[in-house]
Amino acid sequence: TQLLEQSPQFLSIQEGENLTVYCNSSSVFSSLQWYRQEPGEGPVLLVTVVTGGEVKKLKRLTFQFGDARKDSSLHITAAQPGDTGLYLCAGTYGGATNKLIFGTGTLLAVQP
Amino acid sequence: NAGVTQTPKFRVLKTGQSMTLLCAQDMNHEYMYWYRQDPGMGLRLIHYSVGEGTTAKGEVPDGYNVSRLKKQNFLLGLESAAPSQTSVYFCASRGLAAVETQYFGPGTRLLVL
Repeated sequence: TQLLEQSPQFLSIQEGENLTVYCNSSSVFSSLQWYRQEPGEGPVLLVTVVTGGEVKKLKRLTFQFGDARKDSSLHITAAQPGDTGLYLCAGTYGGATNKLIFGTGTLLAVQP
Repeated sequence: NAGVTQTPKFRVLKTGQSMTLLCAQDMNHEYMYWYRQDPGMGLRLIHYSVGEGTTAKGEVPDGYNVSRLKKQNFLLGLESAAPSQTSVYFCASRGLAAVETQYFGPGTRLLVL
């Protein structure tokens, strides 16, 4: 059972366009993380959000955690070719082991 | 400071063969994890460890075994490889804080024929 669904699965856009990636679940998470993965490498953490309604910005990337802590979004403004990669959301229920439940992933290609 | 390293980077096995994947971290992290990544399914947790000498099952543990004899190493074993185990395997580690970054290795690509 996949607890975290991401949409869209694939996205191909031109440099300079804006985009939003969604991460949805029926479960409540204690925190949610976004990772970016480039070909041939492991995922790298971009941000962690822990409070319902929280908004965090990382340069041109804006992350939001839903009020009910069941969903999240990633918005990229003026996308650049360097933003190309696989974006993964991951939720945790907390606790000592803090295991991550990963989403299905969104593959983004930004054409120059 | 190498972070998390994995060996080998790529391996081809025949059905029924066995192998061990090695993960090493130099950050003195307590927690270590093994994931597999398949197209359209994100990363799924196979086994994890909360400290030296401890291991626990994750979401998809069948067909795999693990050991954590040393704090810095986490081994993933396949006793009798099956084509369904063709995947990319990632190891990760993290420290003790409640909301803590997981650091991932570069992955091992395994093809089982």
